[in-house]
Amino acid sequence: DAGVIQSPRHEVTEMGQEVTLRCKPISGHDYLFWYRQTMMRGLELLIYFNNNVPIDDSGMPEDRFSAKMPNASFSTLKIQPSEPRDSAVYFCASSYGGPTDTQYFGPGTRLTVL
Amino acid sequence: AQKVTQAQTEISVVEKEDVTLDCVYETRDTTYYLFWYKQPPSGELVFLIRRNSFDEQNEISGRYSWNFQKSTSSFNFTITASQVVDSAVYFCALSDHINAGGTSYGKLTFGQGTILTVHP
Repeated sequence: DAGVIQSPRHEVTEMGQEVTLRCKPISGHDYLFWYRQTMMRGLELLIYFNNNVPIDDSGMPEDRFSAKMPNASFSTLKIQPSEPRDSAVYFCASSYGGPTDTQYFGPGTRLTVL
Repeated sequence: AQKVTQAQTEISVVEKEDVTLDCVYETRDTTYYLFWYKQPPSGELVFLIRRNSFDEQNEISGRYSWNFQKSTSSFNFTITASQVVDSAVYFCALSDHINAGGTSYGKLTFGQGTILTVHP
């Protein structure tokens, strides 16, 4: 079975541009999570979905960040406008049973905002 | 609020040495789950183990073993006879548990990670 798929793997953009990160969860997993990893803050949860519905978005930094899950096999994380402090690795993860179940992570998207 | 502390920022060992990575957690919940993940230099996060708060049995998987002690709120990870391929960042994580209306609520909180370097 394919694992969690993320695209792009690397993204370099200029400040002010819109960035869209994409994720395909493991088939059959009802929960999808977006995390951000930085040196300063470590791994932090941004938002998670259950059956395509956002459950907890308290980790979303600010209104420039938005996430959607239009169907069970696709989610996006959008940053508009991007800023240099958004530079990080963004991980998508999925699980069958929620935050307490094993979360399987994608390879991550390394975002650099110049 | 829950918290995970990995006090060892970096550990350096020589191949074949045993090494223990410490993890101490804080939570008010009686039901919770503990995890270890490995992040090799390639960057992906690899799941290693999941343990619930009611199961204090230690676990061994090959060269890996885990010691869960509820009395000290610790969930330590030992690698026996370390190898160069074990070099990675290791994360301990904690998730609480609330189930309401068929939806699982909670949050996976990660420690800051321990960088393990195994020298040949």
